[in-house]
Amino acid sequence: NAGVTQTPKFQVLKTGQSMTLQCAQDMNHNSMYWYRQDPGMGLRLIYYSASEGTTDKGEVPNGYNVSRLNKREFSLRLESAAPSQTSVYFCASSESYSGRFQETQYFGPGTRLLVL
Amino acid sequence: AQSVAQPEDQVNVAEGNPLTVKCTYSVSGNPYLFWYVQYPNRGLQFLLKYITGDNLVKGSYGFEAEFNKSQTSFHLKKPSALVSDSALYFCAVGRGATNKLIFGTGTLLAVQP
Repeated sequence: NAGVTQTPKFQVLKTGQSMTLQCAQDMNHNSMYWYRQDPGMGLRLIYYSASEGTTDKGEVPNGYNVSRLNKREFSLRLESAAPSQTSVYFCASSESYSGRFQETQYFGPGTRLLVL
Repeated sequence: AQSVAQPEDQVNVAEGNPLTVKCTYSVSGNPYLFWYVQYPNRGLQFLLKYITGDNLVKGSYGFEAEFNKSQTSFHLKKPSALVSDSALYFCAVGRGATNKLIFGTGTLLAVQP
């Protein structure tokens, strides 16, 4: 039981390049989330997926797209990377959405992205 | 607007002494509060949460937190700090009728031997 896994662990991009961050969970969770972590700002929600087949914007969605490929996998795509997207990206999952906002979220190890 | 504040960027404590990491919140309705810990180059790990019931919540690694509705606080505490407790601690509040969390900016706990 690996929990939440993310690939790659580290990536360097040039401005304008695109890339996809991968996330998978093996806990049979319904909901998945993408956050970015920046110094002094805590974690901010980019996108989330309440259940397979649905996605919604979070606090900072501009410049990103997501795909909920199946129940296990939730990817984050940067179509044209900008230096402002340099950050650490975390994927998380929780068992259920259904208005039960007390559900614990479980986090992956993160992807460090540097955009030059 | 719902928010959470961690007023201290860093807390320093000697090993064996009690520690407190502060968190205050602002939310309409009943709050749902969480503490997470992040070790260097790792993801966030769940410590404990308050949903309802007893105001004193016990969590992993000997940590506990007290929900205080009148002071809108949810401070994290441990009776005796360990050097291995040194990490970044995040408070978070559940927002509205969703499972979206608002995180504080984090408090770095440094435990000196």
